[in-house]
Amino acid sequence: GEDVEQSLFLSVREGDSSVINCTYTDSSSTYLYWYKQEPGAGLQLLTYIFSNMDMKQDQRLTVLLNKKDKHLSLRIADTQTGDSAIYFCAERGSGSSNTGKLIFGQGTTLQVKP
Amino acid sequence: DGGITQSPKYLFRKEGQNVTLSCEQNLNHDAMYWYRQDPGQGLRLIYYSQIVNDFQKGDIAEGYSVSREKKESFPLTVTSAQKNPTAFYLCASSIRVGHTEAFFGQGTRLTVV
Repeated sequence: GEDVEQSLFLSVREGDSSVINCTYTDSSSTYLYWYKQEPGAGLQLLTYIFSNMDMKQDQRLTVLLNKKDKHLSLRIADTQTGDSAIYFCAERGSGSSNTGKLIFGQGTTLQVKP
Repeated sequence: DGGITQSPKYLFRKEGQNVTLSCEQNLNHDAMYWYRQDPGQGLRLIYYSQIVNDFQKGDIAEGYSVSREKKESFPLTVTSAQKNPTAFYLCASSIRVGHTEAFFGQGTRLTVV
């Protein structure tokens, strides 16, 4: 079945780069997403990548996709304390094109130390 | 400003009672979704609606009901049949089902007392 896995916690120092990793099982995934959730809030879409791309860069964010290994990563350059949040990886498989259903990972809590 | 509004932010329910969570969007989106979030877990889909007067069960629909009488509104009722209702509930919408970007509300935290 469809499954998305993430490590639960990452701690970095302010100014360092953060790399959050995600693996997924559905080889037919069409889109892969990164969402950010601040405490007590909803999810904010950070970026997404289409499955025929290897990399996408958007300001401080870089997404890398390795389709062969079904591995997705989010790199945040020059991490700031305001980046502290839970980051969710999500995928939408081709089988979900008629539902819009997203499969979410458990979320990675990013702690940024001053 | 366009967006999704969920209310209330916090909700307390006694065991055995039904409770309804509100979700309203002014984005003119056709598709709307309800997700449940538990600590240390990802989001799980409860129900979704592709268009007015239509809705479909998600992965964990048991103990929940929805309606979609208006395009802007997709309320979720947590019934007494839901055995473990304490959770964070998130509503989302997208232009249409399968569209790339889904926008989320701020969530409702439901606690059974």
